[in-house]
Amino acid sequence: EVQLLESGGGLVQPGGSLRLSCAASGFTFNNYAMTWVRQAPGKGLDWVSSISATGGSTYNADSVKGRFTISRDNSNNSLYLQMNSLRAEDTAVYYCAKAGSGDVAARSNYWGQGTLVTVSS
Amino acid sequence: DIQMTQSPSSLSASVGDRVTITCRASQGISNYLAWYQQKPGKVPKLLIYAASTLQSGVPSRFSGSRSGTDFTLTISSLQPEDVATYYCQKYNSAPFTFGQGTRLEIK
Repeated sequence: EVQLLESGGGLVQPGGSLRLSCAASGFTFNNYAMTWVRQAPGKGLDWVSSISATGGSTYNADSVKGRFTISRDNSNNSLYLQMNSLRAEDTAVYYCAKAGSGDVAARSNYWGQGTLVTVSS
Repeated sequence: DIQMTQSPSSLSASVGDRVTITCRASQGISNYLAWYQQKPGKVPKLLIYAASTLQSGVPSRFSGSRSGTDFTLTISSLQPEDVATYYCQKYNSAPFTFGQGTRLEIK
């Protein structure tokens, strides 16, 4: 059974940093691309970042470029999102999602339960 | 960047009705289109990918189609458990934009 467990969310002041983690199990992690998607309270889904299976290719939404960095550790079946220079508009539930293939150009077929990030003073 | 315009933003229909939700891409994306269902308070769930391929375990009353840059999600006979917000997403290339969502309610 595919399981994705996010952690690392919490309350942070504007300008601060957080590192989100996603622990994956139930599939061969290094065969699949991974994605972070966020959802602000009461709003729609917002794609944030994606990384290929090998980690060699990464993509970020314009809204987070230069501030967020996606990475993965295939030896530990883990996905990360380093978030710097956080803003109030980054407040959201952050979901980790597994792609349907090793390429980032794939649907997200499994989603974690999400971790809440709140940026506020 | 390619924009994804989803309509309607909300929809109310009766049990048993045929329901259609549309997503229009501002440029061609081939068949790289997925549909997700998010029930209130729950995690998004993949319904359809490659525009018309039903994800395993999804009821057959859900279907997807494509006509050029217009994509359609159809529920053939609406059930009470289909109350949710539905999103389309392009995944041909980054940015992997979602549509704005369609909130579906039972009349």
